[in-house]
Amino acid sequence: EAGVVQSPRYKIIEKKQPVAFWCNPISGHNTLYWYLQNLGQGPELLIRYENEEAVDDSQLPKDRFSAERLKGVDSTLKIQPAELGDSAVYLCASSLGPGESLHFGNGTRLTVT
Amino acid sequence: KQEVTQIPAALSVPEGENLVLNCSFTDSAIYNLQWFRQDPGKGLTSLLLIQSSQREQTSGRLNASLDKSSGRSTLYIAASQPGDSATYLCAVRPEGGSYIPTFGRGTSLIVHP
Repeated sequence: EAGVVQSPRYKIIEKKQPVAFWCNPISGHNTLYWYLQNLGQGPELLIRYENEEAVDDSQLPKDRFSAERLKGVDSTLKIQPAELGDSAVYLCASSLGPGESLHFGNGTRLTVT
Repeated sequence: KQEVTQIPAALSVPEGENLVLNCSFTDSAIYNLQWFRQDPGKGLTSLLLIQSSQREQTSGRLNASLDKSSGRSTLYIAASQPGDSATYLCAVRPEGGSYIPTFGRGTSLIVHP
């Protein structure tokens, strides 16, 4: 089966600029996660979707971050405006259901200068 | 709040050694536990998923055990190879609710020839 696909792989932007990340989960996976990973740390959840509904977004900084999952398939994560502290790897993961095995994409490495 | 600790943080061993990586968690009310490996610049690859009712899971040279009552899981790697060099992370899902996993910081493993 095709894995979770993320793009772009790398993104360098200046602070205050907007940026968007895209994720295509494994076909048939209803649950989609966006994680943030800093160097030397484990992933931290930003938002979780069940189909097209965002069901866990308490860790998403809503003043600058937004996400959507159109038709319960692909998802985009946006930051506007970006800050220096947003530099990190943004990982997308999917699973058949909430308690099922997680499958990750290769992530997008964001550098804010 | 669940806390997940992985010890050691880093490990360097010669090829051929048998290894044990540790994952401990503070809340034993878990749904399952999943082990991942992460290569530099990549996403997380699932290795083994242990349900709370299981004691262990095996895949090739890997064996993961789970002791819920003591809040511990171990990942055993037999006959280590240089290709096993990576960071190994564990993730613990709570019972009920959202099943949002909590990740440890990982163990960075280097297997040298």
